[in-house]
Amino acid sequence: QSALTQPRSVSGSPGQSVTISCTGTSSDVGGYNYVSWYQQHPGKAPKLMIYDVSKRPSGVPDRFSGSKSGNTASLTISGLQAEDEADYYCCSYAGSPWVFGGGTKLTVL
Amino acid sequence: EVQLVQSGAEVKKPGESLKISCKGSGYSFTSYWIGWVRQMPGKGLEWMGIIYPGDSDTRYSPSFQGQVTISADKSISTAYLQWSSLKASDTAMYYCARNSGSYNYWGQGTLVTVSS
Repeated sequence: QSALTQPRSVSGSPGQSVTISCTGTSSDVGGYNYVSWYQQHPGKAPKLMIYDVSKRPSGVPDRFSGSKSGNTASLTISGLQAEDEADYYCCSYAGSPWVFGGGTKLTVL
Repeated sequence: EVQLVQSGAEVKKPGESLKISCKGSGYSFTSYWIGWVRQMPGKGLEWMGIIYPGDSDTRYSPSFQGQVTISADKSISTAYLQWSSLKASDTAMYYCARNSGSYNYWGQGTLVTVSS
């Protein structure tokens, strides 16, 4: 099972929007709606930000949104804030195993 | 309040065995899958495997099959990850996380260092 493909890094200025892509195959991202996104700050455990492609857990700002088209899922963060600077990982069910993306480092300029 | 509390950091030598734990509380431990995730120093998250404590059904990533063993003791609401013979390349942070279609609750992580 190969890792899902994410860009190594993205950046944006405060107030701007950024989108992080997550590309898999029809056996994972494209085949199930169990795509989730996690935020990880240095030295901390990951935090769930989006689940089931586009749903937000309680407490996650509505600046975070998710979507999927075919084999590619996307996380969009609008109105960037300094505290959004972190690593972001996508994750998908893949029929029995789960698989993570390689991670994207978001820099807020 | 749902909590997953992991055992403390470990320093081991190559070839030694190890079992780390993840204790769940605040929910029905037997009703949710618990997954294990590896994060090597400076690297990304890697899914290792998952167990359903209700019946001990266990699934492994092909990358970790045969390298580790995942188990659970539902009587004490605890899941385990174990190695029979550690290697230096097992040095990493290991997280447990509760699955309900996504990993919505995470343990604090257990740092395993393997060095001669």
